[in-house]
Formats: sequence, C-alpha cells, structure tokens
Amino acid sequence: GAVVSQHPSWVICKSGTSVKIECRSLDFQATTMFWYRQFPKQSLMLMATSNEGSKATYEQGVEKDKFLINHASLTLSTLTVTSAHPEDSSFYICSARDWHASTDTQYFGPGTRLTVL
Amino acid sequence: EDQVTQSPEALRLQEGESSSLNCSYTVSGLRGLFWYRQDPGKGPEFLFTLYSAGEEKEKERLKATLTKKESFLHITAPKPEDSATYLCAVQGVTSGTYKYIFGTGTRLKVLA
Repeated sequence: GAVVSQHPSWVICKSGTSVKIECRSLDFQATTMFWYRQFPKQSLMLMATSNEGSKATYEQGVEKDKFLINHASLTLSTLTVTSAHPEDSSFYICSARDWHASTDTQYFGPGTRLTVL
Repeated sequence: EDQVTQSPEALRLQEGESSSLNCSYTVSGLRGLFWYRQDPGKGPEFLFTLYSAGEEKEKERLKATLTKKESFLHITAPKPEDSATYLCAVQGVTSGTYKYIFGTGTRLKVLA
C-alpha cells in the first residue's frame, strides 16, 4: 500500500521549453502533495505544498510562475517547469499524504530526472 | 527555528558490524519524526514514524528510537544491501501544512 508514482522518470529538453511532471497516488487519496528538488549528494528541498482544489503554497525563493503546480484531483498533482533553463536541471521528487490516515507520513514517488540542454 | 541535524555524515561498516545513526532535532512541539531510506537516483522509501519520547519501532535489522531531543536508527548486523542514505525528518506543531524539515542524511556503506 501507499504507492506514489511519477511520470516521466527522466526527461531531456531544450532550453526555453516547458516540461510537465505528473505525480499520482495509486492506492490512496491525497488532499496534500509536496514537490521537492534534490541536488547531488544533498537533502531534499521543499519547493511547494499542493492542496487539492486550491492554489499551491510555495516556499520562499521558489518562483511560482516558473514552477506551476496543479492538484486537480485527489490522486494527481502536476508540476510544470516553464521556459526551462540548464539551471533547472535537477531531480524532482513528489510525495503524498494519505487523506484517510491518522498519521502525517509522506510517501514519496521515485523521482524525475530533468536535464535541460 | 525548527532544525534537524544528522550524524555522522557518512559511515562505512563491515558486514555484521552493528552501529547507530543519530538525528538531533529542535522543534516547537513534535508532531512526528520520520525515517526514510534513499537509494541513489530514487525517491525516499518510508521506514518509520515516531511520535513520542520512549517510542521504539523495528523492521528487520533496523530499530528506531526517540527521545525528547534525538532519534537513533540502530542497524544490527548490517548487510551490503543496507547501503543507502538514511534521512530523518521532523514535523512540528507550527507546521500547519504538514511540512517536513529534513536532515542532510547519513550515507551508509556496508562492505562485504
């Protein structure tokens, strides 16, 4: 149980294009999902908290117009990196909190490796 | 300010050599402390959630304990497949949106 998937697992794109990453909770409903970014040999950096049916809450320093988040259903959140540039290359990971669970445990997806040329 | 510090940064063990990883935290009211395992190029895999001082949880060769200031992840007779980065995260009562604060992790290497 508590499986989270991400698609795609890796993507290579040209500078200036937009890339969409999907995060799905497969066997539970998630009113809250989170998007993280991770640089090599570093810990996870929270980018934003995604709430179903409402606007995402972005962490300080994260450009909301560059990293568009949509959480349209209880099992799907998407992160769109708009006008991507090489400095956006990173490992993006989502997590989801089970709406019905009594705990605040987050379950993580397998991550998406983005490379911008 | 809520803070999490993990030590050591890296640890090399021989197979069968037991040890402990430390996670020290400062948080204004602990809602939960979470341990994850992360393999290279993958997302973190959930291990344990601890809520109150004195609580302990076990899973195979791993045992997590919690005090009011720190948590330990004890690894008994580790095997090479236990090699990974172990992440600790805390959630405080001021975190109204269920946010975690992560430590920087301990990179564990178990040698055969």
